[in-house]
Amino acid sequence: LAKTTQPISMDSYEGQEVNITCSHNNIATNDYITWYQQFPSQGPRFIIQGYKTKVTNEVASLFIPADRKSSTLSLPRVSLSDTAVYYCLVGDISLGGGATNKLIFGTGTLLAVQP
Amino acid sequence: EAQVTQNPRYLITVTGKKLTVTCSQNMNHEYMSWYRQDPGLGLRQIYYSMNVEVTDKGDVPEGYKVSRKEKRNFPLILESPSPNQTSLYFCASSSNLDRAAFRDYGYTFGSGTRLTVV
Repeated sequence: LAKTTQPISMDSYEGQEVNITCSHNNIATNDYITWYQQFPSQGPRFIIQGYKTKVTNEVASLFIPADRKSSTLSLPRVSLSDTAVYYCLVGDISLGGGATNKLIFGTGTLLAVQP
Repeated sequence: EAQVTQNPRYLITVTGKKLTVTCSQNMNHEYMSWYRQDPGLGLRQIYYSMNVEVTDKGDVPEGYKVSRKEKRNFPLILESPSPNQTSLYFCASSSNLDRAAFRDYGYTFGSGTRLTVV
C-alpha cells in the first residue's frame, strides 16, 4: 500500500486559497487519491477523489500531475469553519470498498484558518 | 437521511467488563469498517467487512471482535477491555458495488464513540 506524506500543519487567513500537497511516491497503477476532512471529535468527511489530472467539485479541487507521485488539494477562499485536519489517502478502489480498498489514514495536515 | 449511527457516543467502563459498540447504516452499503483514533497515530483500521458474514482483520485487531449477521449492522465487541483500548472509535461504510457512488461519496463515517477503560 502506498504511503503518503503531508505537512503536519498549515496556517492561513480567511479568504485565501489554500493548497495542501501530499506525496505518494509508491502509488500503484490502480490506486486512486482521496482526501478527507475531519473536525475535532467528528468522523472524517469525504472531500474529493481523483486518479489523474484535475478534479473539481463544489468544495475543492484536486490536482494530480502526470507522474501521480503527488497531489494537491486546493481549497478556494477558506473560512474559519475550514479549520480541520485534512487526510490524503491512496488506495485501489477499482472494485469499490473492501480488501481492495484498505485505505490507510496517516496523521493528516492540521489547517488553521485565522481571521 | 443517509447516515452511520454509532452508540453509545461516550462510554466509561472498567477493565475486563465486556462491552459492545453498535454501528448501523441505512444506505444498504456492503462494506463496513471500524477504526480507532489516537493522538499522534491517526486513524487505524481494526476490522472490516465486505458483506454479510464476511469479516477480516485490519491493522490493529488484537482485543477486538466483530460480527456481520445483517447488512446494516456491524458491532464492535471488546471481550475484556484494557486501558490501552481507551480511544475514539469510528465506524464507516461504503458501497462495494457502485463504483460511481464510491467515487463521489467515499466512506461515510459515524460520529464516533469515545471509550475510556479504567
